[in-house]
Amino acid sequence: DAGVIQSPRHEVTEMGQEVTLRCKPISGHNSLFWYRQTMMRGLELLIYFNNNVPIDDSGMPEDRFSAKMPNASFSTLKIQPSEPRDSAVYFCASSPRTGRDTQYFGPGTRLTVL
Amino acid sequence: SQQGEEDPQALSIQEGENATMNCSYKTSINNLQWYRQNSGRGLVHLILIRSNEREKHSGRLRVTLDTSKKSSSLLITASRAADTASYFCATDAYNNDMRFGAGTRLTVKP
Repeated sequence: DAGVIQSPRHEVTEMGQEVTLRCKPISGHNSLFWYRQTMMRGLELLIYFNNNVPIDDSGMPEDRFSAKMPNASFSTLKIQPSEPRDSAVYFCASSPRTGRDTQYFGPGTRLTVL
Repeated sequence: SQQGEEDPQALSIQEGENATMNCSYKTSINNLQWYRQNSGRGLVHLILIRSNEREKHSGRLRVTLDTSKKSSSLLITASRAADTASYFCATDAYNNDMRFGAGTRLTVKP
């Protein structure tokens, strides 16, 4: 298996622009997670899906952030409009069943908002 | 919000020495996991220990869990330069997801 696939790997955009991050989980995994990592705040869970349904989105910073999982093999995290403080590395992870299982992380998307 | 907290924040040792990192958490757990993150990469799962287990081994890794003290430790024996990375503990939360600590940055000098 190719593992969790994220795209793009790097994104540089200007403040106010819309940003869409993409994730393909490992085939057969039922849970998907979006994380954000910064030096200041560490690794933060943004949202957790189980069987394509959002279970916990309490970590989503504000209404500018939205996440979707239209099917078992694809998820997006959208930021609109983006702000410089959104600059971070965004990780997607998947696990076989629930969030208590081992999570398999993608390589991350490094987002820079100028 | 974070559930686990690693200690120390940073650790620097010589190759061949043992490295011990600790994790404390606040609420009851079902399991605790340790992950490693190399610079610029995603986290990689190392080991999972369940709440009814006290110790677990995997190669040069030894994990202990003390549920009465709500703490866990990760021991890396005979460290190598390639062990240089950040190490995170993760504990399960009420919504069946895992929460990660801030991590311990380990540097192993050759």
